[in-house]
Amino acid sequence: TQLLEQSPQFLSIQEGENLTVYCNSSSVFSSLQWYRQEPGEGPVLLVTVVTGGEVKKLKRLTFQFGDARKDSSLHITAAQPGDTGLYLCAGQETSYDKVIFGPGTSLSVIP
Amino acid sequence: EPEVTQTPSHQVTQMGQEVILRCVPISNHLYFYWYRQILGQKVEFLVSFYNNEISEKSEIFDDQFSVERPDGSNFTLKIRSTKLEDSAMYFCASRLTGATNEKLFFGSGTQLSVL
Repeated sequence: TQLLEQSPQFLSIQEGENLTVYCNSSSVFSSLQWYRQEPGEGPVLLVTVVTGGEVKKLKRLTFQFGDARKDSSLHITAAQPGDTGLYLCAGQETSYDKVIFGPGTSLSVIP
Repeated sequence: EPEVTQTPSHQVTQMGQEVILRCVPISNHLYFYWYRQILGQKVEFLVSFYNNEISEKSEIFDDQFSVERPDGSNFTLKIRSTKLEDSAMYFCASRLTGATNEKLFFGSGTQLSVL
């Protein structure tokens, strides 16, 4: 059974701090994706990583895919209140397979 | 950017009633999905649909659930006899292919409340 775990579940930090959230699984994934979800809205894709060890940057966000393709991390530098939201990791084991989601990390950035 | 459209945004129904949730996927997309999210819980896969048939379904997607693509644009989820535990936000999603690097687009969801 595919399962994605995320940690921490909740994170509250001051504006300007750095943070890292983690996504882990015992399964190997062909791709891992990170989404951000606002209350009452659907998830919005931030990035997809497909190669073990891959690092992608999106402004102040840095995403890394583990070498074994079982885990990923999201690092935010100098967090801003606009970064507040639910960050979801999701994975797809093989092509044409379903995408499954982790439980999410709820981030609150306090001005 | 193109959007997945879902209607209604909110649906309130009595237990035992049938509901149909509607979605208009992005026009050239070929793969369609329904997910649900119970309040405070994770986004759960329900069903995937391609080439006018179900590709995969989860244990949640029992005989009370069905999906249909009645024309070239709509994709619907029907719950025949709703239960209290069906209360959740239901998301439709679509993408062009099923490839692992293909972007999955989500609608804004239908909040279903079963009373």
